[in-house]
Amino acid sequence: ETGVTQSPTHLIKTRGQQVTLRCSSQSGHNTVSWYQQALGQGPQFIFQYYREEENGRGNFPPRFSGLQFPNYSSELNVNALELDDSALYLCASGRVEGNTIYFGEGSWLTVV
Amino acid sequence: GENVEQHPSTLSVQEGDSAVIKCTYSDSASNYFPWYKQELGKGPQLIIDIRSNVGEKKDQRIAVTLNKTAKHFSLHITETQPEDSAVYFCAATIDLNTGNQFYFGTGTSLTVIP
Repeated sequence: ETGVTQSPTHLIKTRGQQVTLRCSSQSGHNTVSWYQQALGQGPQFIFQYYREEENGRGNFPPRFSGLQFPNYSSELNVNALELDDSALYLCASGRVEGNTIYFGEGSWLTVV
Repeated sequence: GENVEQHPSTLSVQEGDSAVIKCTYSDSASNYFPWYKQELGKGPQLIIDIRSNVGEKKDQRIAVTLNKTAKHFSLHITETQPEDSAVYFCAATIDLNTGNQFYFGTGTSLTVIP
């Protein structure tokens, strides 16, 4: 167990809706990253947060947004959901001074 | 940006045999290479990592080797056991001490046959 917890574990949304996924970082960690993992693929970097600001972003449109809170918990928000957004969304925490990131169990999102 | 390729996509071995998974990367600035194991329905779990100033690292039955010149690194699992069955991902990143983006391979599904 990594100490990174995510909620909800599974959810189903309709195309065009909005979704918020939540993550609680491992104690002592100060960065949080979000990754999208499509079925049969490796995780793809969405963005990273440090000191409550976005600290790097992958090739994802602006409808993917996030927040990091003072207690280092985080949210991933996705607006105007598309069918291709169906995936496992992974939160990972770490320390900016170190390399390693540790993943939570993920939130499975299905868009219908 | 960085491009990580991973081979093979599937691998079946008999229990007790060794398994080797190979990855290549494109950006010579990458300097940290972790390996993750992902079991069905779970998130990726870090199993071993290596930094670019080291050529090999071993942890019990698991070892990782890195060839910076050729830009490839490999995961070696010896004396495989059924519980080693999972999907394995390699990754590469540039450690900047300011946060970093990890680039993952497409995964190797390892099946250990009892």
